[in-house]
Amino acid sequence: KQEVTQIPAALSVPEGENLVLNCSFTDSAIYNLQWFRQDPGKGLTSLLLIQSSQREQTSGRLNASLDKSSGRSTLYIAASQPGDSATYLCAVRSYGQNFVFGPGTRLSVLP
Amino acid sequence: NAGVTQTPKFRVLKTGQSMTLLCAQDMNHEYMYWYRQDPGMGLRLIHYSVGEGTTAKGEVPDGYNVSRLKKQNFLLGLESAAPSQTSVYFCASSYGGGSGELFFGEGSRLTVL
Repeated sequence: KQEVTQIPAALSVPEGENLVLNCSFTDSAIYNLQWFRQDPGKGLTSLLLIQSSQREQTSGRLNASLDKSSGRSTLYIAASQPGDSATYLCAVRSYGQNFVFGPGTRLSVLP
Repeated sequence: NAGVTQTPKFRVLKTGQSMTLLCAQDMNHEYMYWYRQDPGMGLRLIHYSVGEGTTAKGEVPDGYNVSRLKKQNFLLGLESAAPSQTSVYFCASSYGGGSGELFFGEGSRLTVL
């Protein structure tokens, strides 16, 4: 059974810093991995989807990488802004299973 | 383009009452899902559907029923609400197959007194 973990659980950084969020999964037989953002009291917004055949995806200041062999994905946020403050979740879609979500990383970017 | 829409957004029930949450998607997705999110428990899958007329149990199906009579709609029912069902409920949808991107609704906050 796929298990997904995220480190750190919470992160506080000053505005302008580049930062990395980590997502680890136990079963490398995956279709894809998706990163989401969730603001308090809101739904999950899709940020980036990486298919199993891809190594990375980029959208604006966000870059997500995928290393299936090591069971890891990282979300890189460049030049962080207070508006980036949210909880970031990763989800993995494995063969024969539904999406499995990590517990999330709560990010605070201080002005 | 509305995406995934959930109604109602807020509801308060008394123990034993019944209610239905409606999820509608306009992206012609095959797969639809109902999750609940609780503090410290993360997102847990309640039921899902891989196409019109089909439903399947997820991780925490007890106390819930679902129906997918139309491709664009997925209903979640609580026949006899319990305080343990106080939660935020999210609907999501994706294209069929393994590679589809998952899209979420804004959530429905349910309180059972």
